Amino acid sequence: QVQLVESGGGVVQPGRSLRLSCAASGFVFSSYGMHWVRQAPGKGVEWVAVISYNGKMKYYKDSVKGRFTISRDNFKNTLYLQMNSLRPEDTAVYYCAKDREIWFGPPGLGVDIDYWGLGTLVTVSS
Amino acid sequence: DIQMTQSPSSLSASVGDRVTITCRASQGISNQLAWLQQKPGKGPKSLIYAASSLQSGVPSTFSASGSGTDFTLTISSLQPEDFATYYCQQYNSYPLTFGGGTKVEIK
Repeated sequence: QVQLVESGGGVVQPGRSLRLSCAASGFVFSSYGMHWVRQAPGKGVEWVAVISYNGKMKYYKDSVKGRFTISRDNFKNTLYLQMNSLRPEDTAVYYCAKDREIWFGPPGLGVDIDYWGLGTLVTVSS
Repeated sequence: DIQMTQSPSSLSASVGDRVTITCRASQGISNQLAWLQQKPGKGPKSLIYAASSLQSGVPSTFSASGSGTDFTLTISSLQPEDFATYYCQQYNSYPLTFGGGTKVEIK
């Protein structure tokens, strides 16, 4: 069965960096677009970034553009989110998520998400 | 950005009740809408895609409809395991956006 397991969260000071990982199993990782989505404590869900199956197309929410980088290693079946210049408003549980279909167009557009991970908590605080 | 507006933001209902949640997009999104369920301390779970198609394994008590800007999620007979927060999400254009959520509580 599909499993997505995030790791790398923790407490970090404003302005510092953190790298999240998402280990995927139970499906052909290299065939699917993958997302990072976050949820601030007690708040709603917010999309952060998406990457195509081959890593060539990446799209970001405006507020993280230039600070966050999504990447993937299809040999290690792992998705990453490099987060630099962290701000208190980046505090959230970060989930990785998988596109439902194999899709060669812009990742995440026209195709929905079918599986979500359990999340990893990032706290940005001095 | 496409704004997704859900209503109500919360509701109280009893087991066996019929529940309807609405979601409105600020511009047309065709049928590129999903519904998610989230329970406390857990990640979201996908319920519905393409506005009305059930994800595999989702009970038939869930149904959904809509196209363009107006969408609904209906639970025909609320079960104890259905008490959760529900979100709509559009995947028509970047950034992907979610509604603010509807918390379904036990009356």
